[in-house]
Amino acid sequence: ETGVTQTPRHLVMGMTNKKSLKCEQHLGHNAMYWYKQSAKKPLELMFVYNFKEQTENNSVPSRFSPECPNSSHLFLHLHTLQPEDSALYLCASSQDPASPYGYTFGSGTRLTVV
Amino acid sequence: QQQVKQSPQSLIVQKGGISIINCAYENTAFDYFPWYQQFPGKGPALLIAIRPDVSEKKEGRFTISFNKSAKQFSLHIMDSQPGDSATYFCAAHPGSARQLTFGSGTQLTVLP
Repeated sequence: ETGVTQTPRHLVMGMTNKKSLKCEQHLGHNAMYWYKQSAKKPLELMFVYNFKEQTENNSVPSRFSPECPNSSHLFLHLHTLQPEDSALYLCASSQDPASPYGYTFGSGTRLTVV
Repeated sequence: QQQVKQSPQSLIVQKGGISIINCAYENTAFDYFPWYQQFPGKGPALLIAIRPDVSEKKEGRFTISFNKSAKQFSLHIMDSQPGDSATYFCAAHPGSARQLTFGSGTQLTVLP
């Protein structure tokens, strides 16, 4: 295990559903990130948290709502998603956002919106 | 400009051959250039990285070549093996309180 655990691994949801993705890191890092990975596109940064505070929202639609209750846990709450939101959602952590070293990724949640 | 352009999109190499993946950037503030390797069903994992004060870094069969004046860097995989088959992402960091910018990825297939 990489030290960053994401659950669930796979999720199928309807456009009217509400679901949540969970990420947990055991590395003692202070920064956590949500990325969206779509086929043949660069990794898209969605949100950044540093010491539980959101420091970046990369123009993400409000149907995605992040939550970071502590430095070890990160959630992504989903509601009224669209089919184009289907993607692999990756969580990552690092010591802090300014440090390029040691970005550790989880294995991702494969989301399918039907 | 935060973009990092990566090519090719896909690459097929025979076992024992050399795999070469290229990246280019515009932002001269970038000061750290890592490469990530991603296997199916896994998240990206740091493979090798370089700073712009050196022109080459080698770790085993993996080498980064860096051309600061051309604002280009590349990953060379020598003696490519089927186990190297994965998606490779280049990335760049601007050296401030900003995050990594990733290239679009290269899907490498090494034929046995």
